[in-house]
Amino acid sequence: ETGVTQSPTHLIKTRGQQVTLRCSSQSGHNTVSWYQQALGQGPQFIFQYYREEENGRGNFPPRFSGLQFPNYSSELNVNALELDDSALYLCASSLAGALYGYTFGSGTRLTVV
Amino acid sequence: AQKITQTQPGMFVQEKEAVTLDCTYDTSDPSYGLFWYKQPSSGEMIFLIYQGSYDQQNATEGRYSLNFQKARKSANLVISASQLGDSAMYFCAMREELTGGGNKLTFGTGTQLKVEL
Repeated sequence: ETGVTQSPTHLIKTRGQQVTLRCSSQSGHNTVSWYQQALGQGPQFIFQYYREEENGRGNFPPRFSGLQFPNYSSELNVNALELDDSALYLCASSLAGALYGYTFGSGTRLTVV
Repeated sequence: AQKITQTQPGMFVQEKEAVTLDCTYDTSDPSYGLFWYKQPSSGEMIFLIYQGSYDQQNATEGRYSLNFQKARKSANLVISASQLGDSAMYFCAMREELTGGGNKLTFGTGTQLKVEL
């Protein structure tokens, strides 16, 4: 079974630009969650997608948006980038209803300059 | 809201010794799940062990065991026979059910473990 794949691995953007991060979920998983991990911190929940709809959101502004596709892969879009958006963005896939079994990708390291 | 507290920013342990990483949690939900993840410098979060709030026995997975004390709201990770490859950041996390039907993990701030020869 394949794990969670995220692309790109690293990215440098300028303040004010827009960015799209991608995530392919693990085979058999139908739910995708996104987390932001600032340097020296634990991951913070951004949102979760199930059946191509957002079914949970953390304390992030609307300029953070996402999509889930029929094959369960997902995108995270961030508009109007700010310096504080510099972080490791982690994607996790899971099976809806399962108590555990979250599988994380290796993340995308975003630097905003 | 749920909260996870990890009070040890850094820990050192000698190779082949056991080490305990502390985690306390706060929740008003009767049903919850507790996780430990390992994060090497590569960034990937590697699942180690899971404990459900209704599980009667402490979870074990190979060299990892979870010391679950429900009344004290603690879920400490014990790593036995430490290896150099265990050097990494370790996160305690709790699953929280969301009103929209989804769920999320709430993480602590992590403990950096260094295994020495």
